[in-house]
Amino acid sequence: DAKTTQPNSMESNEEEPVHLPCNHSTISGTDYIHWYRQLPSQGPEYVIHGLTSNVNNRMASLAIAEDRKSSTLILHRATLRDAAVYYCIMAVYGQNFVFGPGTRLSVLP
Amino acid sequence: DTEVTQTPKHLVMGMTNKKSLKCEQHMGHRAMYWYKQKAKKPPELMFVYSYEKLSINESVPSRFSPECPNSSLLNLHLHALQPEDSALYLCASSLRGTSGILNTGELFFGEGSRLTVL
Repeated sequence: DAKTTQPNSMESNEEEPVHLPCNHSTISGTDYIHWYRQLPSQGPEYVIHGLTSNVNNRMASLAIAEDRKSSTLILHRATLRDAAVYYCIMAVYGQNFVFGPGTRLSVLP
Repeated sequence: DTEVTQTPKHLVMGMTNKKSLKCEQHMGHRAMYWYKQKAKKPPELMFVYSYEKLSINESVPSRFSPECPNSSLLNLHLHALQPEDSALYLCASSLRGTSGILNTGELFFGEGSRLTVL
């Protein structure tokens, strides 16, 4: 199984940036890095994904290490609505989405 | 329409019942997925259909039987379930199929069907 490791939980203050780390040391050249988040009582929601280069979208930024063995999801200004469980997925060949344990993010007002 | 719709939202069934969960998407996506999620755990992949053919079965017990009648519809037939099968069942879809194609794109999830087995 494709494996990622993430911290169990993190805390942030509202309106501050948040950096959520993920290790995927077994990654190979065709594996994509995906991030999803899950709010209480909802299905997971796509956040961002990338292969080699850093990526930005309206929700977040994804910084991928040069050796691709780790990545960081960056929320530029955390809001209370960003409190969720964030999952980093190493998608083998860009498919076969196996979720890791995730990081529970708490945002403090 | 950018939605994945799952019905029913809640289902209670006995161990001898037969029931089905339904998932629908009208985004033209060619891969559809079933996940199972227990409380405070990550979603676990169960099945993947690509171009209406079963491409991944993660060693799921035969009391769960998936069906993909067409590219927009995915069913999960349930029979002789156990109480430990109680969970949130999530359906997802992706634009591209998984057959020999790199990068299926992001997954779109439904809100899930919460199943309780008595």
